Amino acid sequence: SQQGEEDPQALSIQEGENATMNCSYKTSINNLQWYRQNSGRGLVHLILIRSNEREKHSGRLRVTLDTSKKSSSLLITASRAADTASYFCATDKVTGGGNKLTFGTGTQLKVEL
Amino acid sequence: GAVVSQHPSRVICKSGTSVKIECRSLDFQATTMFWYRQFPKQSLMLMATSNEGSKATYEQGVEKDKFLINHASLTLSTLTVTSAHPEDSSFYICSASSRRLSGNTIYFGEGSWLTVV
Repeated sequence: SQQGEEDPQALSIQEGENATMNCSYKTSINNLQWYRQNSGRGLVHLILIRSNEREKHSGRLRVTLDTSKKSSSLLITASRAADTASYFCATDKVTGGGNKLTFGTGTQLKVEL
Repeated sequence: GAVVSQHPSRVICKSGTSVKIECRSLDFQATTMFWYRQFPKQSLMLMATSNEGSKATYEQGVEKDKFLINHASLTLSTLTVTSAHPEDSSFYICSASSRRLSGNTIYFGEGSWLTVV
């Protein structure tokens, strides 16, 4: 079952603006990851934030995690047209053999010129 | 970096036939592989977890007799959609991980589009 809910479902901004996407989840997690997916393609891993971390940066990406509220946000600064894609958060649960990810509902970002 | 390859990337099959999708880890041994299904503009839904040498663990609501998963080696898992119906048309994505890799990182394949006509 889907654990994560993301909002907004769709976001349209102008190039150069910042884009913020939010993710909420229901159960305790080990870590939370953000992925990007271009239309009809596989997933690209963007960033991982551990449950004991509150904020993490990678280039133009900034991720926050609030475990008390069971929520995370992804901020893309100075957006570019090439950032147009769907963005998913995913929480993981360690199984005996590997990490099992549960994905959020996703945010479709469109960056217009 | 590690690469996971899926084949075929696109396949069209007739209703009632079976189709096999392969997921290979190209430069690491995947102790666990996961199969996801994604409908257009929707999220990824985990179908099953596949550990090398053992039976796959299916998520609730996924028919194991319809979606056959085999993980015969540490570099290959296959998903066979049996007696395919048009409603099975979807995007299927695999991911692979290894306890031996740093941080137990997960790598995703590029996905396979299945169209059942």
